Amino acid sequence: DAGVTQSPTHLIKTRGQQVTLRCSPKSGHDTVSWYQQALGQGPQFIFQYYEEEERQRGNFPDRFSGHQFPNYSSELNVNALLLGDSALYLCASSLGWGSLSGYTFGSGTRLTVV
Amino acid sequence: GESVGLHLPTLSVQEGDNSIINCAYSNSASDYFIWYKQESGKGPQFIIDIRSNMDKRQGQRVTVLLNKTVKHLSLQIAATQPGDSAVYFCAEWGGSQGNLIFGKGTKLSVKP
Repeated sequence: DAGVTQSPTHLIKTRGQQVTLRCSPKSGHDTVSWYQQALGQGPQFIFQYYEEEERQRGNFPDRFSGHQFPNYSSELNVNALLLGDSALYLCASSLGWGSLSGYTFGSGTRLTVV
Repeated sequence: GESVGLHLPTLSVQEGDNSIINCAYSNSASDYFIWYKQESGKGPQFIIDIRSNMDKRQGQRVTVLLNKTVKHLSLQIAATQPGDSAVYFCAEWGGSQGNLIFGKGTKLSVKP
């Protein structure tokens, strides 16, 4: 049974560009949450998707947007990239909105903005 | 052990010794707490959890202590092994917030 899978594993983008990161939840999970982890810091919550809608959002600008598909997979989009967006982006899946049931993290996508 | 502060503290222990990692949490309304282990290049991995109506919980070689009065958590690892080397995070869950709030982590290094 595959856990949470994220792609790509590493990515280098230029300042001002746009990026899309992808996440496939663990089998049986229907909720996807995204976190940003800067170097030497703990993960910070970006937003959570359930039933194809954004349900909760952390303190991130509108440049950060997302989407959830009918198969529960999710994308994180970041527009107008800044150097400060360089981080490890983690996806976590779980069962049910607002629930920690089975909360499982993927290995992340390492984004470097140059 | 060292408390999580504004930097990433490091705890270095000898193999076989016990380790204590501390964490201060922010929200007195949080009702569920989790310790995660994060190895290089991987996502956070669940270690042990505790609800706010408890003050101690034991797992295999790990114990979590919760002091709600001072909003403090600790993780105790018995007989620390080289494979325990990683960054450890405490996280709090407020339920209605729908997300985890992480501390900044403590890097544990185990010397063989």
